[in-house]
Amino acid sequence: AQKVTQAQTEISVVEKEDVTLDCVYETRDTTYYLFWYKQPPSGELVFLIRRNSFDEQNEISGRYSWNFQKSTSSFNFTITASQVVDSAVYFCALTFTGGGNKLTFGTGTQLKVEL
Amino acid sequence: DAGVIQSPRHEVTEMGQEVTLRCKPISGHNSLFWYRQTMMRGLELLIYFNNNVPIDDSGMPEDRFSAKMPNASFSTLKIQPSEPRDSAVYFCASSSSGTVYEAFFGQGTRLTVV
Repeated sequence: AQKVTQAQTEISVVEKEDVTLDCVYETRDTTYYLFWYKQPPSGELVFLIRRNSFDEQNEISGRYSWNFQKSTSSFNFTITASQVVDSAVYFCALTFTGGGNKLTFGTGTQLKVEL
Repeated sequence: DAGVIQSPRHEVTEMGQEVTLRCKPISGHNSLFWYRQTMMRGLELLIYFNNNVPIDDSGMPEDRFSAKMPNASFSTLKIQPSEPRDSAVYFCASSSSGTVYEAFFGQGTRLTVV
């Protein structure tokens, strides 16, 4: 069985602060894929990143960066110099090869960025 | 290219009525997913199709729910009869298949059953 845990239910920061959203996963599969999605107040789910289990390189995209560590089964997401527009619910998700791209989602972290 | 298109965006219906949610996947994608989002259960997969064939419907809550994909560009999720506990946001998503690709989601249908 697969499981994704996002222990942080809600985080509040002041604009320009850095913030890290935690994601811990459980799977018995040796090949698996991790994702982050953003759900802004408008409600849609926006794809941010996909990472496979063989690629532990950290990734940076603008103010966003991701830290994947198989040793701790974690795939954490950091926003640098947060902005009000980053306010959203962020979901971490997991699937595995042969799983048909079915996603198992975490419960999400509500990020509030205030002026 | 247009993204995944869902209709209606909002639906309010009375308990016992039939509800049909519609989805048009991204052209060229051959996997389609229906997810439901509630406060209590979060995002959960209801059913997914590959090449228009239902592959896994283990998430469909009960016989009142049914889903079809008559062709590559259209899918429906039907609830009959609807109940207040079906109130949720229903998302449709599509992806390419073969290896693992990210799923792209529609804007969702917010269903309220009163």
